[in-house]
Parts: sequence; structure tokens; C-alpha cells
Amino acid sequence: DAGVTQSPTHLIKTRGQQVTLRCSPKSGHDTVSWYQQALGQGPQFIFQYYEEEERQRGNFPDRFSGHQFPNYSSELNVNALLLGDSALYLCASKSGANVLTFGAGSRLTVL
Amino acid sequence: EDQVTQSPEALRLQEGESSSLNCSYTVSGLRGLFWYRQDPGKGPEFLFTLYSAGEEKEKERLKATLTKKESFLHITAPKPEDSATYLCAVQAASGGSYIPTFGRGTSLIVHP
Repeated sequence: DAGVTQSPTHLIKTRGQQVTLRCSPKSGHDTVSWYQQALGQGPQFIFQYYEEEERQRGNFPDRFSGHQFPNYSSELNVNALLLGDSALYLCASKSGANVLTFGAGSRLTVL
Repeated sequence: EDQVTQSPEALRLQEGESSSLNCSYTVSGLRGLFWYRQDPGKGPEFLFTLYSAGEEKEKERLKATLTKKESFLHITAPKPEDSATYLCAVQAASGGSYIPTFGRGTSLIVHP
């Protein structure tokens, strides 16, 4: 049973560029959340998607946007990249009130 | 605002040397407290959920306990493969958001 899969695993961008990260949730899960984890920090909640709508949002600017598709997969888009956006971006899925299952993350470096 | 503070930030142990990690929290009504393990470059892996003060959960060399203000992750006779960052997260009962707030984690290194 495949868990949460994320792509790409690593990517390098320059300031001002845009990036799209992708996530396939664990089989049977319908809710997807995205987290940003800077080096040495805990995961910070970006937003959560359920039934193709953004249901909750953390304290992140509008440069961060997302989408959920009918097959429950999700994308995270970040526009106008800043150096401070360099981090590990984690996707997590769940079904109902169950605990989160995390993917291995996408490591974004902004130069 | 929910807050989670983990201590120590880093811990070095010799193989077999038991110790405890602390997670202090402030939340408006606790719905659940979670412990995760995170290996370098990987996503967090779920370990335990605790719901009420006095509850304990065990898994191999790990034991998690919960009071009204903090949780402890006890590691008994650790092995080098227990080296990882351990994350604590709390989920508030109020507001209906159910979004967990994470601490910064404790980085554990176990030397052979």
C-alpha cells in the first residue's frame, strides 16, 4: 500500500520564479494538508484541502496557493519566490479525524 | 494561541543510556497530543496519540506519557537506530479546525 508520494524530491529555483509541488495522498485518504518545515524547525501549517476546496489556512501570504483534484491529489504553488521560502515542503493526508500520514517532502532551495 | 515547547533541543546518549524528552504545551482544550519521529530528509512518522492526562502508550523502547501541561517520551535502553528528531504536536478541541501545532523537535543521537 503506497503511502503519501510527493514530487519532485529536490528542486532549485531563483528568486522571483514560481514553483509547483505535487502530492498523491495515501489510498483511502481524502484530506490533504501542506506544511513548510525550515531547517531546525517544526512543520508549519500552510493549508488543508478537502472536497477540492481550501478548508483551513495558516499564516502564509497569498503567494502560496493550492489545488485539490477529484482523485484527491493536490498541488502547492508558490509565486514570486523569496530566499526565505527555502524549506522542506511536506504533504500530509488523512481520512476523517485520523492522524496525519506524511510524505517524504520536496526540498526547495531558492537562490 | 496554541504553543508547544520541546526540550532539550538536542540530546546525545550512549547506547543503553535511558532518558526522557519533554513536550510542554498550552492549548485551549486538548483534543489530542501526537508524537512523531522524523529521520533526516524524510517526513514525520507517526508514533503515538495521547488524549487525556494519565494516559500512557508504549512501542518497543518508547513510552509516551501525558499530564495536563506536558508530555514525556521515555526512551529505555536506546539503540543507534533510535537516532532521529522527535516531534510533538497538539490538537485543540475548540474551534473545530483540528489542525495540529508542532514543536521544533528534539534531535536525538545515540552513540554505539
